[in-house]
Amino acid sequence: AQTVTQSQPEMSVQEAETVTLSCTYDTSESDYYLFWYKQPPSRQMILVIRQEAYKQQNATENRFSVNFQKAAKSFSLKISDSQLGDAAMYFCAYRRSGANSKLTFGKGITLSVRP
Amino acid sequence: DTEVTQTPKHLVMGMTNKKSLKCEQHMGHRAMYWYKQKAKKPPELMFVYSYEKLSINESVPSRFSPECPNSSLLNLHLHALQPEDSALYLCASSQLAGVAKNIQYFGAGTRLSVL
Repeated sequence: AQTVTQSQPEMSVQEAETVTLSCTYDTSESDYYLFWYKQPPSRQMILVIRQEAYKQQNATENRFSVNFQKAAKSFSLKISDSQLGDAAMYFCAYRRSGANSKLTFGKGITLSVRP
Repeated sequence: DTEVTQTPKHLVMGMTNKKSLKCEQHMGHRAMYWYKQKAKKPPELMFVYSYEKLSINESVPSRFSPECPNSSLLNLHLHALQPEDSALYLCASSQLAGVAKNIQYFGAGTRLSVL
């Protein structure tokens, strides 16, 4: 079974600074997808970034980038120039390729941003 | 447009009531999902519909009854719920083919309280 581990329950960052959220996963599959979702107090789960396992290049979306280490099964999220609106719960998630595969979430990390 | 709309936003019901949650998307997605989320926890998958047919039921109690009347609409009928069923209920949708087939888009959820 696939598992996703987010070992840090909470982190804090100063506004305009950079923070890295860690995530590890366990799978025997070779074709899969990894995601970071953000859930602010407004409740809506928002896709931040995704990574296809077959791509060696790390995904980036504006201030958000990932460090994908396939051999180490590590998928960390770096947030640059942190903003107050980045405060939220962040979930790392895994999905193997194929029909009817489920999205497996980590426990999540609560990120606070200090002004 | 990546919008998944859920109604109502909040719902309070007694244990003998019957109520329904509604989810709608107009992105042409042919997979739709119901999740249950407790506070500070990751979402837990309940049901998956593919091409309007139930493809995954995660051993959910029969007091939760899903329905997919058409490709844009997903309902969750509630009957004789227990207080422990109080949670945020999230709907999501995704494509079943194409480059974006592994991305799930979430609604803002319905906050359910069972008294």
